[in-house]
Amino acid sequence: GAVVSQHPSWVICKSGTSVKIECRSLDFQATTMFWYRQFPKQSLMLMATSNEGSKATYEQGVEKDKFLINHASLTLSTLTVTSAHPEDSSFYICSARKRVFPYEQYFGPGTRLTVT
Amino acid sequence: GENVEQHPSTLSVQEGDSAVIKCTYSDSASNYFPWYKQELGKGPQLIIDIRSNVGEKKDQRIAVTLNKTAKHFSLHITETQPEDSAVYFCAASREQTGANNLFFGTGTRLTVIP
Repeated sequence: GAVVSQHPSWVICKSGTSVKIECRSLDFQATTMFWYRQFPKQSLMLMATSNEGSKATYEQGVEKDKFLINHASLTLSTLTVTSAHPEDSSFYICSARKRVFPYEQYFGPGTRLTVT
Repeated sequence: GENVEQHPSTLSVQEGDSAVIKCTYSDSASNYFPWYKQELGKGPQLIIDIRSNVGEKKDQRIAVTLNKTAKHFSLHITETQPEDSAVYFCAASREQTGANNLFFGTGTRLTVIP
C-alpha cells in the first residue's frame, strides 16, 4: 500500500514558540506533497504545495513566513509553524502524490496542534 | 477555479441499507475524482477513485459513478455497516497538470445505525 506518516500526531506548545511537523511517504517517492489545515467539522483547506528541491507554492492568504515548508527529499516534507499563536491551533494534514502514474494522493494521519 | 459541491452534509441510514452521496464540479477539464473517508481524529483515506474515461467503478460494497456531461459523480455504499460511519469527502482535479491540486467537497457525515 501507500503509507504516509506524520510526526508528531499531537503537540501542545506555548504562544510565541515554533513547532515543526514532519510528513513522510514510507513506501513510495513523492515529488509533490501538500499541506492542509482542517477546522472542526469542516473540509480540508489547502495551505501550500511542496515540490522536492524547490520553493513551496502557497495559497492565497497563507503567510509563507509563518508557515515554513521544506521538501528536502522525495520522501520528506516539513511544516514549521513559527511564532505560534492560539489562532494557529488546528488539525494539520499532509498528503503525498505518487511520482508515477496513477498519481494518487495519500494522506497522513494528521497533527493536532494546540497553542496555549 | 474548480468548485466542488457535495450533498447531503449529513446522512443517517439503517445498517444494511444503501447510502448515496453526490457531488458536482464546475471545471470541465477535471478528469480525476477520488473519494476519501475520514474517521474522527484521523487523516482522509482514499477509498475509491474514478477517471473521466470511465463511467462507473466498483470495489466490493463501494461504487462510484461519473456523468461527465452533467459534471456530477456519486458514491454508493451498499449493505452499510456501523464501521462505515465517518465523514466522506469527494474531490476533483486535473490529473495531468503539474500541480494536481485536489479540490474538495464540504464533506458528508454518514451515520450507520445498528
